[in-house]
Amino acid sequence: GAGVSQSPSNKVTEKGKDVELRCDPISGHTALYWYRQSLGQGLEFLIYFQGNSAPDKSGLPSDRFSAERTGGSVSTLTIQRTQQEDSAVYLCASSNPQGDGYTFGSGTRLTVV
Amino acid sequence: QKEVEQDPGPLSVPEGAIVSLNCTYSNSAFQYFMWYRQYSRKGPELLMYTYSSGNKEDGRFTAQVDKSSKYISLFIRDSQPSDSATYLCAMSAVSGTSYGKLTFGQGTILTVHP
Repeated sequence: GAGVSQSPSNKVTEKGKDVELRCDPISGHTALYWYRQSLGQGLEFLIYFQGNSAPDKSGLPSDRFSAERTGGSVSTLTIQRTQQEDSAVYLCASSNPQGDGYTFGSGTRLTVV
Repeated sequence: QKEVEQDPGPLSVPEGAIVSLNCTYSNSAFQYFMWYRQYSRKGPELLMYTYSSGNKEDGRFTAQVDKSSKYISLFIRDSQPSDSATYLCAMSAVSGTSYGKLTFGQGTILTVHP
């Protein structure tokens, strides 16, 4: 596709439920990133996939968060047993093998009630 | 202390003004420096990308990197109301724990009024 596509664009869920957020990166981009942006805050790194290498999960805030990337393309971020503090915009980005410039999707706005 | 510090503003300027946005950082391994613009309810959009020290100009935008001072700047000339957005600096390293991922500043909210 022309850009990074994320779905859903908005998600409201009840506390304690699991949610899945999807990211479809730009074709040919080997690197994929998930970030979280809370109200009035900068972007917080969550996880980074690069080709077939083991992902860098160092930014995941708890074991309720996990992500996978199937076939080196689409990625899914899963949050289990959601809490109110998980409410944020979850942004996905991808980059080419040179890593010079990251293209972001429009994000998924998650609200936990 | 955060690795990247950015004054959140908000910054309000009249149309046509020169805007200066800045970030400081503490990680000497950072080699790639970027500026992103983010409109409300949109993802960040890459504006400028520089490697190591120096200046880069693109239209009304100029990015400067001073690695000796660990200080980067973005200048916007002849600012327009359409420049009103949040501006985020971001950086990454070529090795070490920061390799491959971007570390962002908090973002500066800019409003250009007619």
